[in-house]
Amino acid sequence: GAVVSQHPSRVICKSGTSVKIECRSLDFQATTMFWYRQFPKQSLMLMATSNEGSKATYEQGVEKDKFLINHASLTLSTLTVTSAHPEDSSFYICSARDLAGPGTEAFFGQGTRLTVV
Amino acid sequence: KQEVTQIPAALSVPEGENLVLNCSFTDSAIYNLQWFRQDPGKGLTSLLLIQSSQREQTSGRLNASLDKSSGRSTLYIAASQPGDSATYLCAVGVNNDMRFGAGTRLTVKP
Repeated sequence: GAVVSQHPSRVICKSGTSVKIECRSLDFQATTMFWYRQFPKQSLMLMATSNEGSKATYEQGVEKDKFLINHASLTLSTLTVTSAHPEDSSFYICSARDLAGPGTEAFFGQGTRLTVV
Repeated sequence: KQEVTQIPAALSVPEGENLVLNCSFTDSAIYNLQWFRQDPGKGLTSLLLIQSSQREQTSGRLNASLDKSSGRSTLYIAASQPGDSATYLCAVGVNNDMRFGAGTRLTVKP
């Protein structure tokens, strides 16, 4: 299957700082990437849909000014957690599809464990 | 709003047993259904993808079925092994994103 690479896998930051997470599709072009958040023993919750060359679409309740998403190329989307607080500590996972259509298989990155101290 | 439910939440079986994981969804208007495996602290590994027009998919010891009209899918694991221990997530493709169940945490005891 296709490969999605997410970096870093683990990050610890101080409250008030910003953290950038990268999501790359290594062997295909992804016009759309998705960012999810997962709390311990809970399922994945979609945060936003990242569209190449345009603004991201955020789910209800997700602060777009706090979770900045940039999708500047067909192989890279970034999520920046700005002014991080301890409650932002979570597991963040990105995914991408090989085509923009809804029926294709989704491939996921390895996830990023963010701890804000 | 699409809701995805997985039963049971946790399952423990002895090695060698066959087992079934269940997934149900409330809205049958889905594009596809995908089963994933997640190891602790790791990302998701895609196991099987069933398109809405299909009824089942098989890969090795895994078989997934889809009954869209009743809003159900099952993941059958044959001859379970300790290495199968993980959390199994099902997700339905809706419009351009996916909705996930909470997962079934499987433990296969040697």
